[in-house]
Amino acid sequence: EIVLTQSPGTLSLSPGERATLSCRASQSVYSNYLGWYQQKPGQAPRLLIYGASNRATGIPDRFSGSGSGTDFTLTISRLEPEDSAVYYCQQYGSSPRFSFGPGTKVDIK
Amino acid sequence: QVQLVESGGGLVKPGGSLRLSCAASGFTCSDYYMSWIRQAPGKGLKWVSYISSSGNNIYYADSVKGRFTISRDNAKNSLYLQMNSLTAEDTAVYYCARGLSGGGVFDIWGQGTMVTVSS
Repeated sequence: EIVLTQSPGTLSLSPGERATLSCRASQSVYSNYLGWYQQKPGQAPRLLIYGASNRATGIPDRFSGSGSGTDFTLTISRLEPEDSAVYYCQQYGSSPRFSFGPGTKVDIK
Repeated sequence: QVQLVESGGGLVKPGGSLRLSCAASGFTCSDYYMSWIRQAPGKGLKWVSYISSSGNNIYYADSVKGRFTISRDNAKNSLYLQMNSLTAEDTAVYYCARGLSGGGVFDIWGQGTMVTVSS
């Protein structure tokens, strides 16, 4: 099973700042099958990015994904208060052994 | 409106059983891979099981293999998870989710249903 590690554990930033979240895989992710989700308290996760860099339907363009192989990044270019959430990466290249990272909590000061 | 609505969660004793349901609307369940994903209180997300669009491919996480059974009723456009021999480690919110890209990335999620295993 591919193990995903996310850093930092918590990110505390101000509105308008840029957030950079990292996701590292224990082995190469096939075809860059890597997704990113946002989860707010008491809510289900929401898909932001799939295939490492493709925005899901309805996701604002301030969210972008990049990376390949074992290193991936989610960037939020201009933080807004509603971006306060936990962000998870997930690999789906080693089907059916899908795995999620432990999450990065983003606090907006 | 495309949505998933789970039901069937609750409090169950260790060793007991529970059946979760997930009703789909706005799309046809059998056109997609469908998964169950769970989240223990205060913890991260763990994939549990999926069923392919054809129904011919079914997989489980090692932690639930032999105890949980995923199924689908095309006439009711619904997904199910039969959970047997439950332990405290199965306590979690259970989400059903629609899969894209061969089933592995989840674009539509239900609101979740809480399962608590406790004596």
